[in-house]
Amino acid sequence: GAGVSQSPSNKVTEKGKDVELRCDPISGHTALYWYRQSLGQGLEFLIYFQGNSAPDKSGLPSDRFSAERTGGSVSTLTIQRTQQEDSAVYLCASSFSGVETQYFGPGTRLLVL
Amino acid sequence: AQTVTQSQPEMSVQEAETVTLSCTYDTSESDYYLFWYKQPPSRQMILVIRQEAYKQQNATENRFSVNFQKAAKSFSLKISDSQLGDAAMYFCAYRGGSNYKLTFGKGTLLTVNP
Repeated sequence: GAGVSQSPSNKVTEKGKDVELRCDPISGHTALYWYRQSLGQGLEFLIYFQGNSAPDKSGLPSDRFSAERTGGSVSTLTIQRTQQEDSAVYLCASSFSGVETQYFGPGTRLLVL
Repeated sequence: AQTVTQSQPEMSVQEAETVTLSCTYDTSESDYYLFWYKQPPSRQMILVIRQEAYKQQNATENRFSVNFQKAAKSFSLKISDSQLGDAAMYFCAYRGGSNYKLTFGKGTLLTVNP
């Protein structure tokens, strides 16, 4: 069984551009999470998907951030009009259900110039 | 809101020695879970150990064990017989019983000296 995978591993973009980050959860895991890890803020929860339920978007920092999960599997986190403060490592995790242990992917390091 | 505090930004230990990383948390919930995750330079967050608050017995995973003091809201990680591969950033994390969000501490950078 493969673990959580994320792509790209690293992304450099210019301020104002849109970026898409991808997460492939562990097969069979119904819950998927996005976290952001930055020097100033540490690790912060962004969004949570559980099965076909409406996602919990309460951690998204602004309306420039959005995420979707297609077919209950792969998820894409989109950041529109990127700003320098968006530079961080974006971590994805999945779990068998919403109350089970979360397993993390290797993250995507985003640098906005 | 729950908070997790790791008071040691950095720690170092000699290979084969024992080191303890500290973590305290604040919560009003009675049902919750605590975790220690390890993040090496590869960035992959790896689960080290998990403790259910309702269990009085401290969790143990090989060389890793915790000292869970529920009344004091303390959850320290002890690493025995430290190895070079243990060098990493260690994060303490909290999750409420009916919640799914992890709340993390700021982390402790552990260096293992040969």
